[in-house]
Amino acid sequence: NAGVTQTPKFQVLKTGQSMTLQCAQDMNHEYMSWYRQDPGMGLRLIHYSVGAGITDQGEVPNGYNVSRSTTEDFPLRLLSAAPSQTSVYFCASSYASRAYEQYFGPGTRLTVT
Amino acid sequence: LAKTTQPISMDSYEGQEVNITCSHNNIATNDYITWYQQFPSQGPRFIIQGYKTKVTNEVASLFIPADRKSSTLSLPRVSLSDTAVYYCLVGDTNTGFQKLVFGTGTRLLVSP
Repeated sequence: NAGVTQTPKFQVLKTGQSMTLQCAQDMNHEYMSWYRQDPGMGLRLIHYSVGAGITDQGEVPNGYNVSRSTTEDFPLRLLSAAPSQTSVYFCASSYASRAYEQYFGPGTRLTVT
Repeated sequence: LAKTTQPISMDSYEGQEVNITCSHNNIATNDYITWYQQFPSQGPRFIIQGYKTKVTNEVASLFIPADRKSSTLSLPRVSLSDTAVYYCLVGDTNTGFQKLVFGTGTRLLVSP
């Protein structure tokens, strides 16, 4: 199993540009989520999904969109990048029966100039 | 979600036992205590979860007193590779998706 994979690893955007961060998991997990981690801080939940076709907002959803058309994939879209979105983005997934045990991807380091 | 308090940083040497204590005075009856580990430039990794008394796995032990207002993660005989940030999380794991709330964690530095 590859686990949770994220692409790209690094990205630099200019203010106002849009892009999609990709996340995929091959463990047949029901739950998937996106977090951001700013320097020296803990992770904050952006959006999450409890199954294909179902998404919901987390703590800091503004400026981001998600969709979940398949169990495996959960892309995160930045609509119009802002410097405040400079961060490391982590995707995670888990079984519904063990939701406290989330598996995290390696992260995408995003810089918005 | 119950708020947690843990030390900002700890130092240790290889081969020593490390105990990281987390305070969660407002823990609710349905809340479980979960610990994650995060290495630099990586995503967090689940270590252990418990409700009361003691839980042990191949990585660590978790001690929870009867009042459950605190918990202690114990790492036996640490090595340099245990240098990481350790997060204590508290929440009700019986309510579907877990909106994990990560604080700033405890930064453990293990020296030779």
